[in-house]
Amino acid sequence: DGGITQSPKYLFRKEGQNVTLSCEQNLNHDAMYWYRQDPGQGLRLIYYSQIVNDFQKGDIAEGYSVSREKKESFPLTVTSAQKNPTAFYLCASCSKDLSTDTQYFGPGTRLTVL
Amino acid sequence: GDSVTQMEGPVTLSEEAFLTINCTYTATGYPSLFWYVQYPGEGLQLLLKATKADDKGSNKGFEATYRKETTSFHLEKGSVQVSDSAVYFCALSSGGYQKVTFGTGTKLQVIP
Repeated sequence: DGGITQSPKYLFRKEGQNVTLSCEQNLNHDAMYWYRQDPGQGLRLIYYSQIVNDFQKGDIAEGYSVSREKKESFPLTVTSAQKNPTAFYLCASCSKDLSTDTQYFGPGTRLTVL
Repeated sequence: GDSVTQMEGPVTLSEEAFLTINCTYTATGYPSLFWYVQYPGEGLQLLLKATKADDKGSNKGFEATYRKETTSFHLEKGSVQVSDSAVYFCALSSGGYQKVTFGTGTKLQVIP
């Protein structure tokens, strides 16, 4: 089955630690995205990548980093510089044009900082 | 910049009631409009979309019409079921790879 997988589903981190969230897709999509979801705030874009070895900052990139070494993978690192990292993180992908092609979402990772 | 405003929830309805969730938008040009649904603990799924003015998107009994004159894309369903309980997001895209702009979501609870 084609789709997007995210792991782990739940993640706990101590303050001051970096943590990496995994996102893999087998849809052969060019573009991949990371969103953060907080209660009552909808989704906010962290980073996106249109092509391998290239990525762009979204609206709330501070304290996060990404890489895109393979087409199917787009891991997100939450660094210790992110002041309030507890949130639900969603990865998504799209074939080409967001206005005409469907954006598919993974099941999400819930990160809690202890 | 682009923005989406949708009615605050939660919305609580009895089974078989009529549903309307309001959505209005601000965007440059002619965006595509979307409704996504999120079930508890899951990611978002595309429910329906419309890519130009007067288009009607429909899926699983839900409908929404792209109204350029009122910059609206209200979601409707004639008879809701308990299984429709979820959070609904209105969204728009002005095209390209850049991003989708989401509303804050409206939680729907349908009671038997």
